[in-house]
Amino acid sequence: GESVGLHLPTLSVQEGDNSIINCAYSNSASDYFIWYKQESGKGPQFIIDIRSNMDKRQGQRVTVLLNKTVKHLSLQIAATQPGDSAVYFCAENIAGPTGRRALTFGSGTRLQVQP
Amino acid sequence: GAGVSQSPSNKVTEKGKDVELRCDPISGHTALYWYRQRLGQGLEFLIYFQGNSAPDKSGLPSDRFSAERTGESVSTLTIQRTQQEDSAVYLCASSPGGDRTPGEQYFGPGTRLTVT
Repeated sequence: GESVGLHLPTLSVQEGDNSIINCAYSNSASDYFIWYKQESGKGPQFIIDIRSNMDKRQGQRVTVLLNKTVKHLSLQIAATQPGDSAVYFCAENIAGPTGRRALTFGSGTRLQVQP
Repeated sequence: GAGVSQSPSNKVTEKGKDVELRCDPISGHTALYWYRQRLGQGLEFLIYFQGNSAPDKSGLPSDRFSAERTGESVSTLTIQRTQQEDSAVYLCASSPGGDRTPGEQYFGPGTRLTVT
């Protein structure tokens, strides 16, 4: 079936720099996208989401960009901090006949922040 | 407030035995999800409960896997005749349900299952 994937398995950045994590999706029917952060030994934590009628959404230090033309999603983290070190997952969602289906997750990108 | 809890946190079992994993969702959340995460990989959807609707079982990998949910509360995931490839972290998540912020799922800490 169609799935969500990631370009970069590991990203290493210097503290204070901006980070960009990329994700490609293949299901053109998906209309809702989410980024999750997972720290070691913990469950994923919701970061930010975006619906397909938008191409940009900003949160606190994070921005998600959606390019539906090329089916690409990115997460930008401003002024990256050591606490941002984690695995980041993108996920897509689609409405089913009885409501929203479960999320389809990508394989994840590990972000390493160097002090 | 209390988040999603799962028990046990770790489970070691012998191949061929049955295991039961428990999830307590956030009170009032009508949607509940089970995922499997193998080491170094993403989350694999297993099953989804939404209110009184029939569960979406499309992600269950075999008939050895089953799950139940009591109303809008506790859920149990049962794996019968466990195999070594079942070894993974099993994550439960809940959300308010419906079309409201469907991605804002709140995850539990997971149960790490090791089949020897």
